[in-house]
Amino acid sequence: DAGITQSPRHKVTETGTPVTLRCHQTENHRYMYWYRQDPGHGLRLIHYSYGVKDTDKGEVSDGYSVSRSKTEDFLLTLESATSSQTSVYFCATRGDRSYYNEQFFGPGTRLTVL
Amino acid sequence: SQQGEEDPQALSIQEGENATMNCSYKTSINNLQWYRQNSGRGLVHLILIRSNEREKHSGRLRVTLDTSKKSSSLLITASRAADTASYFCAVETSGSRLTFGEGTQLTVNP
Repeated sequence: DAGITQSPRHKVTETGTPVTLRCHQTENHRYMYWYRQDPGHGLRLIHYSYGVKDTDKGEVSDGYSVSRSKTEDFLLTLESATSSQTSVYFCATRGDRSYYNEQFFGPGTRLTVL
Repeated sequence: SQQGEEDPQALSIQEGENATMNCSYKTSINNLQWYRQNSGRGLVHLILIRSNEREKHSGRLRVTLDTSKKSSSLLITASRAADTASYFCAVETSGSRLTFGEGTQLTVNP
């Protein structure tokens, strides 16, 4: 799985609490992504990073923030969790080779907001 | 809005049969990729086809791309029970971002 781990793998939290999900990679990939997966919506991009301290918003970024202080770590924070953020969250990475653009995915984090 | 849209949403076939899934998209693309997801797992890249390519093969997979119709198809030949999974198309339009469709759930019955 291209050396991508996510933590925690499962989390249950209450509305209004902050939550931080961590993605760690050992591939030295430049690009990192956070997606959420919900029934009927496929995968939707939340935020992505194209280098240390370089991040940008995806299509569903409201209510989420990210940080990338090291190449290997990409953190996703829900400042004040809401029930609509109950989802499965996937981290992905991509190398910097110009020819092949596949993304490698982590195992996912199942988040439940009560 | 979703760029990649798969059809059908669900497909059930017998082992040994071929499975065909289709993907449509809306704008110009750099490439189109297909991914597979087993239940409870992350996505795994299967194959990539560039906008100037029309067909690619990888083992039992065959992908076609018709940029005039903005559509792609994934054919899995001689399917096996282990092919049971969800299959997603994803389009890269610019930069390093992908937009995924909602997926096709394939069930291969033994």
